[in-house]
Amino acid sequence: QVQLVQSGAEVKKPGASVKVSCKASGYTFTDNYLHWVRQAPGQGLEWMGRINPSSGGTNSAQKFQGRVTLTRDSSINTAFMELSSLTSDDTAVYYCARGYYYDTMGYWGQGTLVTVSS
Amino acid sequence: EIVMTQSPATLSVSPGERATLSCRTSQSVSTNLAWYQQKPGQAPRLLIYGAFARATGIPARFSGSGSGTEFTLTISSLQSEDFAVYYCQQYNNLAAFGQGTKVEI
Repeated sequence: QVQLVQSGAEVKKPGASVKVSCKASGYTFTDNYLHWVRQAPGQGLEWMGRINPSSGGTNSAQKFQGRVTLTRDSSINTAFMELSSLTSDDTAVYYCARGYYYDTMGYWGQGTLVTVSS
Repeated sequence: EIVMTQSPATLSVSPGERATLSCRTSQSVSTNLAWYQQKPGQAPRLLIYGAFARATGIPARFSGSGSGTEFTLTISSLQSEDFAVYYCQQYNNLAAFGQGTKVEI
């Protein structure tokens, strides 16, 4: 079965960067896009970007351009999301999600809580 | 950038009743529209894609309709496990989510 397992919770100081990993199993890693979505406490879902694990090509939401870096290591079936210049507004649960039908997200990781605090 | 608007923000219904949720997009997304359900402390679950196709394992009481800029998610007879927050998502131009509708008892 498809599984996405994310790295553990992080606490960062303002101005720092955070890198979250998402390890995939149960399917061919290069067959489907992986998306990154975040959710601030008590707030809605916010799409951040996607990566094509086959080519490494990425797209990101305008809001995050220049601050988010999406990469993958196909040898270990793992995708990464790095967010830089963190502020308290970046405190959120970060999810990776696999494509289901085009850019719908049918399989989700368990989420990674990133807390930004001085 | 496509702006998604969901209404109402909160919908109060009784078990067994029908719930109708709306999603509007700022420009046409054809039928490239999905719906998700999220319960507290859980990741979202895909319900509907292609505006009206149910994802694997989704009960028939969930149905989607619409095209262009106006979409509807209908839950025909609410069960206790359906009380949750529902999000629409367009994937016609990358991706974007609506702000959510909370369905409460």
